[in-house]
Amino acid sequence: GEDVEQSLFLSVREGDSSVINCTYTDSSSTYLYWYKQEPGAGLQLLTYIFSNMDMKQDQRLTVLLNKKDKHLSLRIADTQTGDSAIYFCAENYGGATNKLIFGTGTLLAVQP
Amino acid sequence: DAGVIQSPRHEVTEMGQEVTLRCKPISGHDYLFWYRQTMMRGLELLIYFNNNVPIDDSGMPEDRFSAKMPNASFSTLKIQPSEPRDSAVYFCASSLGHYLVPQHFGDGTRLSIL
Repeated sequence: GEDVEQSLFLSVREGDSSVINCTYTDSSSTYLYWYKQEPGAGLQLLTYIFSNMDMKQDQRLTVLLNKKDKHLSLRIADTQTGDSAIYFCAENYGGATNKLIFGTGTLLAVQP
Repeated sequence: DAGVIQSPRHEVTEMGQEVTLRCKPISGHDYLFWYRQTMMRGLELLIYFNNNVPIDDSGMPEDRFSAKMPNASFSTLKIQPSEPRDSAVYFCASSLGHYLVPQHFGDGTRLSIL
């Protein structure tokens, strides 16, 4: 199947760390992505990780990949109110293709 | 630096009418994608083009939906006849070349079929 699953909602306090989780299905996926969607806008690529990596850090963002369990997570350090948005993980289905399968999205609410 | 431009931003129409959504990709990009976003089904890929040629239309719901890309700077998604269950936000995205590069999304068209 092509299901990519995420928890629907996460609430954190400003300054805390946020961890958004994702489970994907296609073991041949070459890259996995995290996109952010702000209200009334399209999706914006935040970061990506190659499937032969375990971890990638990019400023406040840390991506962890457990390929055995097909589990991907996005950690946002020092979460700010401007980080409030919907976060989508995505895999490129079937390996080296441009076809992305998106997760269900996680709404992150940051409380001041 | 112009991004992906979609029009209209909002469309409200009665069921049975023809609906045409438009997209202008980023200049120079050779891939164009149409997505549909609903609460129930999330974000679904409908169809994508490479160099104006449809590559994968397996996500197109049914024959009422059609998409064209007559040139590198313009694409349309048409629904005829429209039904209330087609109500959704439709996104267009474009990218250049390799699958590693990000897909750049437009701001979407919010479609309501009454």
